[in-house]
Amino acid sequence: AQKVTQAQTEISVVEKEDVTLDCVYETRDTTYYLFWYKQPPSGELVFLIRRNSFDEQNEISGRYSWNFQKSTSSFNFTITASQVVDSAVYFCALSEALGSAGTASKLTFGTGTRLQVTL
Amino acid sequence: GAGVSQSPSNKVTEKGKDVELRCDPISGHTALYWYRQSLGQGLEFLIYFQGNSAPDKSGLPSDRFSAERTGGSVSTLTIQRTQQEDSAVYLCASSLDRGWGSYEQYFGPGTRLTVT
Repeated sequence: AQKVTQAQTEISVVEKEDVTLDCVYETRDTTYYLFWYKQPPSGELVFLIRRNSFDEQNEISGRYSWNFQKSTSSFNFTITASQVVDSAVYFCALSEALGSAGTASKLTFGTGTRLQVTL
Repeated sequence: GAGVSQSPSNKVTEKGKDVELRCDPISGHTALYWYRQSLGQGLEFLIYFQGNSAPDKSGLPSDRFSAERTGGSVSTLTIQRTQQEDSAVYLCASSLDRGWGSYEQYFGPGTRLTVT
């Protein structure tokens, strides 16, 4: 069975601070996908990033960066120089990759981390 | 382009009534998913349609829940004899299959269901 753990329920930071959101996963699959989604106060889930299990390269997109470490089953998300607009609930999710085409399947979500950025 | 749309945005119903929730996926997306989000249970998978394959219904919580997808596009989630524990936000997502690495799911705004 798949499981995603986001141990941090809520994090509060002051604007311009860096913050890291932790994600630890469990799966028996040899190939899988990892995702991060953002859910702002408006409620709609916004896709941020997808990672394939065979690609352990870290990724940076503007102020966002992701650290994927298969050895520790972790896929952590760092926001550099946080801003008030980053305030949201962030979800980490896992999907198995099916068949030879690597078709993604249903997402298993963590419980989310609520990030509050204040001035 | 247009994203995933869901209707209605809010639905209040009395316990015991049936409800239908609708999802219009992104045009051309072959996979469609239903999830629900509630305070007690977090984000839970309900059902998944992929092309012409039989749907994966493994997440449906009871036989009161069913879903169909007509013409490979629009989907309807039906809850019969609603119970108060069915109160949640029901989310629809769709994705495009393009081989390895192209499977991110895009979510709609959800339907907030309240059973009184």
